[in-house]
Amino acid sequence: DTGVSQNPRHKITKRGQNVTFRCDPISEHNRLYWYRQTLGQGPEFLTYFQNEAQLEKSRLLSDRFSAERPKGSFSTLEIQRTEQGDSAMYLCASSRDQETQYFGPGTRLLVL
Amino acid sequence: AQKITQTQPGMFVQEKEAVTLDCTYDTSDQSYGLFWYKQPSSGEMIFLIYQGSYDEQNATEGRYSLNFQKARKSANLVISASQLGDSAMYFCAMREGLYSGGGADGLTFGKGTHLIIQP
Repeated sequence: DTGVSQNPRHKITKRGQNVTFRCDPISEHNRLYWYRQTLGQGPEFLTYFQNEAQLEKSRLLSDRFSAERPKGSFSTLEIQRTEQGDSAMYLCASSRDQETQYFGPGTRLLVL
Repeated sequence: AQKITQTQPGMFVQEKEAVTLDCTYDTSDQSYGLFWYKQPSSGEMIFLIYQGSYDEQNATEGRYSLNFQKARKSANLVISASQLGDSAMYFCAMREGLYSGGGADGLTFGKGTHLIIQP
């Protein structure tokens, strides 16, 4: 059973650039979640999908953040016009319906 | 008010001892789920154990058990016979509206406890 995978694992970018992260969930999982974790804090929920439908996006941090899951399989999280405050770990998780969420290894973003 | 409170920022425990990590939660929902995750320095969140609000028995998974006291709104994690590999951050999390279809379905996490097992 392959776990959740995320790419890239690390990303360094300059302020003002756009970045995109990819998440591949566990294959039979229909739900996919995105979280952000800053230093010294627990993960903070951002958004989630059930199949290709984005059912919750009010928690996205600003309109610079957007997520897609076009075919109900992998998902992308995009941050436009990055700011230094966007530096964090971005975690993806997947689940089958409302069952336990399993997390990927995360993408560490550093905005210079 | 914080929904998940973990009052122990850090703990040092001798190898082979049992350790209890505290977690209290705040919700007005009747149906909710409580989770514990382990996060080693590599960053990946590893699921350990789950307790549903309607479960009458405390959850157990190998060396992990969850001491669920609903009236006190606490869900402490107990690790028996600790090992050096247990050194990590431990997070308590909650999902509200579990069976009602309500809530955002995302987990709410506490700030975590940094557990260090000493030989």
